Amino acid sequence: GNSVTQMEGPVTLSEEAFLTINCTYTATGYPSLFWYVQYPGEGLQLLLKATKADDKGSNKGFEATYRKETTSFHLEKGSVQVSDSAVYFCALRATDSWGKLQFGAGTQVVVTP
Amino acid sequence: DADVTQTPRNRITKTGKRIMLECSQTKGHDRMYWYRQDPGLGLRLIYYSFDVKDINKGEISDGYSVSRQAQAKFSLSLESAIPNQTALYFCATTAYTGELFFGEGSRLTVL
Repeated sequence: GNSVTQMEGPVTLSEEAFLTINCTYTATGYPSLFWYVQYPGEGLQLLLKATKADDKGSNKGFEATYRKETTSFHLEKGSVQVSDSAVYFCALRATDSWGKLQFGAGTQVVVTP
Repeated sequence: DADVTQTPRNRITKTGKRIMLECSQTKGHDRMYWYRQDPGLGLRLIYYSFDVKDINKGEISDGYSVSRQAQAKFSLSLESAIPNQTALYFCATTAYTGELFFGEGSRLTVL
């Protein structure tokens, strides 16, 4: 079946540090890939997405590239801010999933001043 | 106002009680979902609905039921709550782009 594996947290960083959160997936066909972010006390919101191999999604300084050869969609940001403290979820939508998303376990990121 | 509204936001109840969580959306989407979030497990799909007459079980539907009262309303019920149903519950909607729009969540504690 389909699955998403992402690195465990918490990840603790200083402000302006480089952030990478690893995400790998298992799926048949050509899934779409997503990163969602959950700020404290809020629901999830879409951060970025990629719908085909080699696509790069980007938003708010975050980037992720859909790598089919390594089945990965790692999230990166070059210089994090305290406001980036949140839980980040990698997710996939399989081609036959009728719109349902499969989520990873989430990675908590804590950015300190 | 939020596009996806969940009520209640927080609820504490006792084992064996019936609980209903409600969700309404103003985005005009046909597809609605209920997810459950547990620490270290991410979000798991409980039920989903593509329209008022179409209800489908997700991966963890046991112990839950749903009702799609209208295009904009989708409620989740726990007929007899048990402690391992203590979790954060999210309602979500989507059009056909794949992006899910989430409510702010309903935190349920079953004692």
